[in-house]
Amino acid sequence: EPEVTQTPSHQVTQMGQEVILRCVPISNHLYFYWYRQILGQKVEFLVSFYNNEISEKSEIFDDQFSVERPDGSNFTLKIRSTKLEDSAMYFCASSGGAASEAFFGQGTRLTVV
Amino acid sequence: AQSVTQPDIHITVSEGASLELRCNYSYGATPYLFWYVQSPGQGLQLLLKYFSGDTLVQGIKGFEAEFKRSQSSFNLRKPSVHWSDAAEYFCAVGSMNRDDKIIFGKGTRLHILP
Repeated sequence: EPEVTQTPSHQVTQMGQEVILRCVPISNHLYFYWYRQILGQKVEFLVSFYNNEISEKSEIFDDQFSVERPDGSNFTLKIRSTKLEDSAMYFCASSGGAASEAFFGQGTRLTVV
Repeated sequence: AQSVTQPDIHITVSEGASLELRCNYSYGATPYLFWYVQSPGQGLQLLLKYFSGDTLVQGIKGFEAEFKRSQSSFNLRKPSVHWSDAAEYFCAVGSMNRDDKIIFGKGTRLHILP
């Protein structure tokens, strides 16, 4: 069964450092998403991406965040200068389009120290 | 603005008892509705979804949910819970717009008593 793959599963970084979270969406999907879940809280939308550009982004997705699909298979989330409050589980998702549910990866747990 | 409300933060039921988790949504268009389950430290697994047609939908692991447009609800049910059902359950809403995001509720944590 096709699945969304995220690496690494857990990343620890020092405050102020840049991190890149990687995702390999399902191969024939066209819509990609990043969500964030701070420990004990709900899953929050960060950004959606289609046709090599951002479709929508939330207030959380400020200038410190960027997304990229560098090679047609990977979908990355970059945080330029991490803050303590960026510590969370980050989920990547992909979808085939309208009337299709999004498939989520297992998440990357980011810990900023 | 679209939103999802899960009024119960925690629910505790005995193993073998029936379960109903509540979900209400606010959405301007025809909603697509989902229930996801998250075990501790794990990702999100889709339990079931409603797009159209029969308002009672069957999902995996013996779960079902009923869409009630008049009540803007999409409650999740299971006739007899198992200890392995202990997890966090998220209701979510999306739309038929091709790249629309999914909005999640805050989740309900299910505890199972032996």
